[in-house]
Amino acid sequence: GAVVSQHPSWVICKSGTSVKIECRSLDFQATTMFWYRQFPKQSLMLMATSNEGSKATYEQGVEKDKFLINHASLTLSTLTVTSAHPEDSSFYICSAIGARGTDTQYFGPGTRLTVL
Amino acid sequence: KQEVTQIPAALSVPEGENLVLNCSFTDSAIYNLQWFRQDPGKGLTSLLLIQSSQREQTSGRLNASLDKSSGRSTLYIAASQPGDSATYLCAVFWGKLQFGAGTQVVVTP
Repeated sequence: GAVVSQHPSWVICKSGTSVKIECRSLDFQATTMFWYRQFPKQSLMLMATSNEGSKATYEQGVEKDKFLINHASLTLSTLTVTSAHPEDSSFYICSAIGARGTDTQYFGPGTRLTVL
Repeated sequence: KQEVTQIPAALSVPEGENLVLNCSFTDSAIYNLQWFRQDPGKGLTSLLLIQSSQREQTSGRLNASLDKSSGRSTLYIAASQPGDSATYLCAVFWGKLQFGAGTQVVVTP
């Protein structure tokens, strides 16, 4: 089946620094990638949708200047958390779908971000 | 408003019993519905995907049904095992994937 990887799997950073998380589709071309955030004991919340070569579409309440998303190729999307603060500590998960659009979303293993 | 609800929030059963997990959604105009498994601190594992035109999907001990008219899906896990302990998430695709809060399952030996 299709595989999506994320790097790093966990990261600890100081408040005020920026952190970049990579999401890669390993064996298929992902026309669309999604970024989700999951707080402890809660479900996944969609942050943004990114299509290759165009600007990401952010969900209501998600600061686009704080969570920078770049989908530069059909196999790579990056999420940069700028000027991270402790309240940004969360589990970030990406997913990807191929050209068929409404087919299965394949999820990455997630990245645990802890901001001190 | 499009919402997904999962009841119960937590469930504990002895090994060997069948599991029944419920998911309800508010808008029947769905593209598909998906069931996932999530282990603590881990990502998601897709279990079953039911397209809008389908009534059920089966994979091994897992069976998921879909009733769009009533806005419900049920995931059945037959002959549960301790390894089935995890959180099970239901997600509905309406152009975006909307997740329920999940049902935390514990299967005791």
